[in-house]
Amino acid sequence: QQQVKQSPQSLIVQKGGISIINCAYENTAFDYFPWYQQFPGKGPALLIAIRPDVSEKKEGRFTISFNKSAKQFSLHIMDSQPGDSATYFCAASYSGTYKYIFGTGTRLKVLA
Amino acid sequence: EPEVTQTPSHQVTQMGQEVILRCVPISNHLYFYWYRQILGQKVEFLVSFYNNEISEKSEIFDDQFSVERPDGSNFTLKIRSTKLEDSAMYFCASSDLTDYGYTFGSGTRLTVV
Repeated sequence: QQQVKQSPQSLIVQKGGISIINCAYENTAFDYFPWYQQFPGKGPALLIAIRPDVSEKKEGRFTISFNKSAKQFSLHIMDSQPGDSATYFCAASYSGTYKYIFGTGTRLKVLA
Repeated sequence: EPEVTQTPSHQVTQMGQEVILRCVPISNHLYFYWYRQILGQKVEFLVSFYNNEISEKSEIFDDQFSVERPDGSNFTLKIRSTKLEDSAMYFCASSDLTDYGYTFGSGTRLTVV
């Protein structure tokens, strides 16, 4: 119930393409879904986050799509760039706790 | 931009030794956390800390672990008697109560030999 399942494990995309990473959860109490970007040797950095009262949130080239009924959410990176090459983690949290449950991560490589 | 600072960046220790990992959270943040990431695996919650006490901890955070805020700026994680399986990257994070979003530090890589 506390798991967040993330796929794919790794992803290779051509420069300019769309990168899509998916996550699924079971616990309907989750009410905050952030995405984190991690470069080698660095801590995760908050990229974008969504709450279940909206179905989509866009910030620049990054969009979260949220499907409450399916208990799924995804990250879309439009016009992917080599500088986007990193590991991406989805996560979930719920009111009353500030801990995150992280997905297993997706290693994205964008080819120049 | 405000940062969470962690020291040291890399620590090597003998099995059975005590280690203290140090963190300076963002100054106006009130919630503090420790997470760990075993090489190539997901980031796992260890403990959260608010108002000078532990607010939540995971099953990983057993009696060998402790946290402390010894002064107004530092937040430490102590591992009393390290085991080989404690080898991981340890991340400190802090957050503002008005927002769920964390700021993570760059981590301390702990290697137990």
